[in-house]
Amino acid sequence: DAGVTQSPTHLIKTRGQQVTLRCSPKSGHDTVSWYQQALGQGPQFIFQYYEEEERQRGNFPDRFSGHQFPNYSSELNVNALLLGDSALYLCASRGASNTGELFFGEGSRLTVL
Amino acid sequence: LAKTTQPISMDSYEGQEVNITCSHNNIATNDYITWYQQFPSQGPRFIIQGYKTKVTNEVASLFIPADRKSSTLSLPRVSLSDTAVYYCLVGSGGTDSWGKFQFGAGTQVVVTP
Repeated sequence: DAGVTQSPTHLIKTRGQQVTLRCSPKSGHDTVSWYQQALGQGPQFIFQYYEEEERQRGNFPDRFSGHQFPNYSSELNVNALLLGDSALYLCASRGASNTGELFFGEGSRLTVL
Repeated sequence: LAKTTQPISMDSYEGQEVNITCSHNNIATNDYITWYQQFPSQGPRFIIQGYKTKVTNEVASLFIPADRKSSTLSLPRVSLSDTAVYYCLVGSGGTDSWGKFQFGAGTQVVVTP
């Protein structure tokens, strides 16, 4: 049973460019959340998708957008990249059980030059 | 979401028990306490979750006093592989809540031989 998979694992962009990160949730999971983790800090919640809609959003600008597909996979898009967007982007999924157990992927390491 | 406070770092030797206490004074009635572990360049991994009293699983125990304003994660007989950052999180159930955990800086636990 594959866990949460994310791609790409590493990527380098320059300021002003746009990036798309992808996430496939754990089998049977229908809810996907995205987190940004800067070096030395804890993960910060970006947004959560359920039934192809954004359900919750953290304190991130509109440059951060997402999408969830009918197969529950998800994308995170970041436009007009800034140096400060350099971070590890984590995707987490959960199923219908009412527990706080999120399953995280290994993350996508984004470096903005 | 309730704010949590935990020590920045803790050192231990192999074979000892490590206890990490987290303060969450503003915990709500329907909030659960959840702990995650994170190794460098990996996504966080669920350790344990509880509501009150004591919860134990194969890797840790969670002690929650009656007032629920704090909790203690206990790692028995730690090994070098337990060196990681540990996060204490507070949140309630339901589709809208679990995915948007508020991670703090966590506690860096370093285990030495």
